[in-house]
Amino acid sequence: DSGVTQTPKHLITATGQRVTLRCSPRSGDLSVYWYQQSLDQGLQFLIQYYNGEERAKGNILERFSAQQFPDLHSELNLSSLELGDSALYFCASSVGQGFPDGTQYFGPGTRLLVL
Amino acid sequence: AQSVTQLGSHVSVSEGALVLLRCNYSSSVPPYLFWYVQYPNQGLQLLLKYTSAATLVKGINGFEAEFKKSETSFHLTKPSAHMSDAAEYFCAVSGVQAGTALIFGKGTTLSVSS
Repeated sequence: DSGVTQTPKHLITATGQRVTLRCSPRSGDLSVYWYQQSLDQGLQFLIQYYNGEERAKGNILERFSAQQFPDLHSELNLSSLELGDSALYFCASSVGQGFPDGTQYFGPGTRLLVL
Repeated sequence: AQSVTQLGSHVSVSEGALVLLRCNYSSSVPPYLFWYVQYPNQGLQLLLKYTSAATLVKGINGFEAEFKKSETSFHLTKPSAHMSDAAEYFCAVSGVQAGTALIFGKGTTLSVSS
């Protein structure tokens, strides 16, 4: 158990809908990262927040957005969902901003299925 | 820019055989390097990390990795494979400045046969 929690574990929805994924980092960690993992794209970094502010941006679509709240939990919002958004979404956390020691601890993931 | 290359998307070994998963990196500064393991339907778990303290790094479950600067490699090994080692393994390198996250390789799937 990494100490990172994600809810829900599974999510089934329809195309065009909007969903929110939630992540709570390990106690004491200030950074939260979001990743998408799919069979065809592999593990893709989406976005990082550090102490409430956006720190790094990866391959995140405009239909996706995230935020980190004062209690440090984070939410990833996915809107206008498409079939291709079906994937595993991981959250990870780290103590610092991610460099030079980029050690991240991963949550169990949310499996999203868009029908 | 930082990058990681994992040689071989699939590696198959017999139970009890040596496990060798290859990772080469590119970095403009002394890197922090990581190996993560992902078991089916689970998140990534940190196996070990290199932070320049020692070139041979020991991790969990009997795995170790050796940092070789001259070869820009950080290969993962285990002397004797167990069925429970079957998983996907990811090598990663830290970014060099704020605003850069871990850079992951594409992963190597390890199969272990009895």
